[in-house]
Amino acid sequence: KAGVTQTPRYLIKTRGQQVTLSCSPISGHRSVSWYQQTPGQGLQFLFEYFSETQRNKGNFPGRFSGRQFSNSRSEMNVSTLELGDSALYLCASSAAGGFIDTQYFGPGTRLTVL
Amino acid sequence: QKEVEQNSGPLSVPEGAIASLNCTYSDRGSQSFFWYRQYSGKSPELIMSIYSNGDKEDGRFTAQLNKASQYVSLLIRDSQPSDSATYLCAVKGNQGGKLIFGQGTELSVKP
Repeated sequence: KAGVTQTPRYLIKTRGQQVTLSCSPISGHRSVSWYQQTPGQGLQFLFEYFSETQRNKGNFPGRFSGRQFSNSRSEMNVSTLELGDSALYLCASSAAGGFIDTQYFGPGTRLTVL
Repeated sequence: QKEVEQNSGPLSVPEGAIASLNCTYSDRGSQSFFWYRQYSGKSPELIMSIYSNGDKEDGRFTAQLNKASQYVSLLIRDSQPSDSATYLCAVKGNQGGKLIFGQGTELSVKP
């Protein structure tokens, strides 16, 4: 099976702009979770989508949003970018998101905000 | 108190030695535990998952879980230079797909 794919791999934006990141899960996986990784804060949970519904949300401002499509592909959007949003954004997919389900990570999107 | 805590390291071991990585968590309702390895510039890749108290072995890796002590560890036997990476402990409760990660332990295996 193909792994989790994320596009684009690299992005450079300026403050105030918005950005949309895309994630295609492993075939058959219905749960997609998003994480932000920074050197200072480590890996932090943003949100999880399952069957086109947001099931969990982390402690991030409303500028961070996401959605999931009927084919389980997911997008996340960050509006009004701030310098502190520079990070590696990781998407992970699992079969159903249950507590025994393993999450498999994509290669990530490296976002730089200038 | 952080929800998941790991020694940040770096942990340095000679080639062929046993590397021991530790993790504690604060939520007693946590149900599943994962160890991921992350090479510099790459995304996390799963090494082990463990759900029940005791040991779970997979090749050179052994995960140990003690829910009473809220402690999970990873042992790497016969450490190789290729094991040099950051090891992330992740904990999942009953909130669907939400993984809570520790800060990671950097492991360096010296030839």
